Amino acid sequence: DTEVTQTPKHLVMGMTNKKSLKCEQHMGHRAMYWYKQKAKKPPELMFVYSYEKLSINESVPSRFSPECPNSSLLNLHLHALQPEDSALYLCASSQHPGQGRDIQYFGAGTRLSVL
Amino acid sequence: TQLLEQSPQFLSIQEGENLTVYCNSSSVFSSLQWYRQEPGEGPVLLVTVVTGGEVKKLKRLTFQFGDARKDSSLHITAAQPGDTGLYLCAGAYGNKLVFGAGTILRVKS
Repeated sequence: DTEVTQTPKHLVMGMTNKKSLKCEQHMGHRAMYWYKQKAKKPPELMFVYSYEKLSINESVPSRFSPECPNSSLLNLHLHALQPEDSALYLCASSQHPGQGRDIQYFGAGTRLSVL
Repeated sequence: TQLLEQSPQFLSIQEGENLTVYCNSSSVFSSLQWYRQEPGEGPVLLVTVVTGGEVKKLKRLTFQFGDARKDSSLHITAAQPGDTGLYLCAGAYGNKLVFGAGTILRVKS
């Protein structure tokens, strides 16, 4: 089983709203990732949690706030977003962070629209 | 900065034709993954190659990793409309995946 589950699948929010994206995996993976993807472009890394600790923040604006409550769950809290933040947000997980043969498995994504 | 140059960016072919997608870099990667993504969905892993010179086959898809682990190719034989999608190569570098720009493949019936 290589399933990464993301909810919700679609989200529409106003610029003053607060919302959260959720990601879950039960493969015992020790790293979880958030990516942002625009149409027909490759995913762009936002955050990496390794062993439940934030290890990489790719200079993401503070209106995006990640949280890793435990090794199976990853949240992305959204506040005061801009229309240009509209994108597909992807979660991924991997078993052996930092090891050369580590493989990332992706969820289906949350399609976010900011009005 | 590690870069993966992927080509071509767009490919529109007829059903039954063959095609090759290339990923090239000046950096050495520990491994390289190929993903396929359909609109509105997440990337789905096709294959991982880890050894220089490695060749892997997945039905009509053949993946090759360069001897120096700096480049890779994906060859599709007798393409079918179901092969349509965005193909992404991604090199593993430390805790990160370095993605190519992607190849949008359209196979017309």
